[in-house]
Amino acid sequence: DTAVSQTPKYLVTQMGNDKSIKCEQNLGHDTMYWYKQDSKKFLKIMFSYNNKELIINETVPNRFSPKSPDKAHLNLHINSLELGDSAVYFCASSQSFLAPSSYEQYFGPGTRLTVT
Amino acid sequence: GQQVMQIPQYQHVQEGEDFTTYCNSSTTLSNIQWYKQRPGGHPVFLIQLVKSGEVKKQKRLTFQFGEAKKNSSLHITATQTTDVGTYFCAGLYNQGGKLIFGQGTELSVKP
Repeated sequence: DTAVSQTPKYLVTQMGNDKSIKCEQNLGHDTMYWYKQDSKKFLKIMFSYNNKELIINETVPNRFSPKSPDKAHLNLHINSLELGDSAVYFCASSQSFLAPSSYEQYFGPGTRLTVT
Repeated sequence: GQQVMQIPQYQHVQEGEDFTTYCNSSTTLSNIQWYKQRPGGHPVFLIQLVKSGEVKKQKRLTFQFGEAKKNSSLHITATQTTDVGTYFCAGLYNQGGKLIFGQGTELSVKP
């Protein structure tokens, strides 16, 4: 049983296109995240939602728009893709962003986005 | 801004040798977490340290949190090929804040 799942696993697309990545967690967690991991493996948070509400919105271009239809799902839509968007995007979840003892994050398998 | 510095970036060891990675923050952390990412995989939570001076062990892995809660280390005794991967520390600065990841230390183990 996959705890945090993402689709697709690989995404190859051309500059200027619009694409979406979907994420689902079956852990019953309240908080979900999107991270970007660049070619040097640096992990940076992009967004975080708690119970469908946006709580963290880092300095990310407006072309990136997250949506959380319910607390088990967090999708990421990217408009007008650029070469620099190529990276691995990880979805993660945690029980709650408020309780430190339950703050450990569970990561999905990642989506490798390649923009050509 | 808040930053967690992690060194070294790479470490190549012979199987059986020890390995240590270090993390430093310029400001006090609320807690620190450690994750392991296998090649081609995703980060997997290892442990969380909350108390000043805390030391936790998981088999051959020893995790420490500094007295000032500004630094942490992960030490692996007698590395094995299964230890290969990138180890990340991630600091939390305040309750409800975001995790700030270190740059990671990529460990390779030669059999």
